[in-house]
Amino acid sequence: DQQVKQNSPSLSVQEGRISILNCDYTNSMFDYFLWYKKYPAEGPTFLISISSIKDKNEDGRFTVFLNKSAKHLSLHIVPSQPGDSAVYFCAASASGNTGKLIFGQGTTLQVKP
Amino acid sequence: DGGITQSPKYLFRKEGQNVTLSCEQNLNHDAMYWYRQDPGQGLRLIYYSQIVNDFQKGDIAEGYSVSREKKESFPLTVTSAQKNPTAFYLCASSIDPPGRVSGANVLTFGAGSRLTVL
Repeated sequence: DQQVKQNSPSLSVQEGRISILNCDYTNSMFDYFLWYKKYPAEGPTFLISISSIKDKNEDGRFTVFLNKSAKHLSLHIVPSQPGDSAVYFCAASASGNTGKLIFGQGTTLQVKP
Repeated sequence: DGGITQSPKYLFRKEGQNVTLSCEQNLNHDAMYWYRQDPGQGLRLIYYSQIVNDFQKGDIAEGYSVSREKKESFPLTVTSAQKNPTAFYLCASSIDPPGRVSGANVLTFGAGSRLTVL
């Protein structure tokens, strides 16, 4: 039972353009959503989060949008840079569920110079 | 620098052998976690611990064991009972134990340990 899904295994964009990574979830009890970035052979690093009471959160080049009715969130990276090439994981947590994070499968982003 | 140290980075094991992966943190975090990463499956939770001397099974605990004798340390033992142990193992910690989280439960991850069973 995959509660958090990232249906696109990979995405390729040109440097300077927008990257849009998508994530869907099934559990309506999730109240926080997070995005992590991971380089090969390294641990994931936290990028940005959003509470379920908001529909947008922005941090520099990174913006996360949440559509609760569609149980969908997306991460926008503008402008994309070659250093953004990595695997991006979407994760979710529910306060009543010990706070543990449920991760999606990940999307590999390649930003071409 | 505060962080999480995992060792060894690479480990090879023969079938039937137990192996222990080390995880140490100096972030003064209360909660610690072990995740496993397999291609195309994202990160799956093996065990987590909210406080010293207490830990809980995650989604895929079978064939694994942990201990939490010190706040800083959360070693993971991969036993011979784990059917598919070859994977990338990630340890993480967070500042708020689950249950007292007032915001997003942001995990800090170590660099990982890659275990290969020969």
